[in-house]
Amino acid sequence: AQSVTQLGSHVSVSEGALVLLRCNYSSSVPPYLFWYVQYPNQGLQLLLKYTTGATLVKGINGFEAEFKKSETSFHLTKPSAHMSDAAEYFCALNEKLTFGTGTRLTIIP
Amino acid sequence: DADVTQTPRNRITKTGKRIMLECSQTKGHDRMYWYRQDPGLGLRLIYYSFDVKDINKGEISDGYSVSRQAQAKFSLSLESAIPNQTALYFCATSDPRTGGDYTQYFGPGTRLTVL
Repeated sequence: AQSVTQLGSHVSVSEGALVLLRCNYSSSVPPYLFWYVQYPNQGLQLLLKYTTGATLVKGINGFEAEFKKSETSFHLTKPSAHMSDAAEYFCALNEKLTFGTGTRLTIIP
Repeated sequence: DADVTQTPRNRITKTGKRIMLECSQTKGHDRMYWYRQDPGLGLRLIYYSFDVKDINKGEISDGYSVSRQAQAKFSLSLESAIPNQTALYFCATSDPRTGGDYTQYFGPGTRLTVL
């Protein structure tokens, strides 16, 4: 069985501060990992993905994530938060997309 | 025009009614999926289809059925709706042959309320 754990259902950061959203996974096969973002009243949009190769993955809007096999982690970061980053973020795993429970990011002005 | 569309976008119905949610895509993808989203639970897979003749149950298929009418169309039915099926429903598509991976592309969602 595969699973995704997102630590922290709500994260608040100040505008300009570092954003760190945590994702750990369990998979019996080499993982494909995704981060999706959901803005209010909208569908899900792909932020970035890890398939194979480079473990540091860059996505849209200045986000990046690092795949660490030894830690079974795929944490999402952004050096400087912007008000427009306020949304819900989902980590997902493999072909049929096992999702984490989501992290709601709030940006404090 | 959006690549993945869902109709209706919002629906309010009563317990016991039959409901159909429709999904259409212009991406030319073979694989299509239905998920439901509940607060605090993330998205959970209901059904998926890898081609017109292939339908598979997902994590939470009880109370739901699907029909893959064509490569571009995948419908979700609730035969007798109940209040705990109130949720946000998403359709998604993917095609590893074109993307080289399992990236899924989501529709805008259907908000269903069962009274």
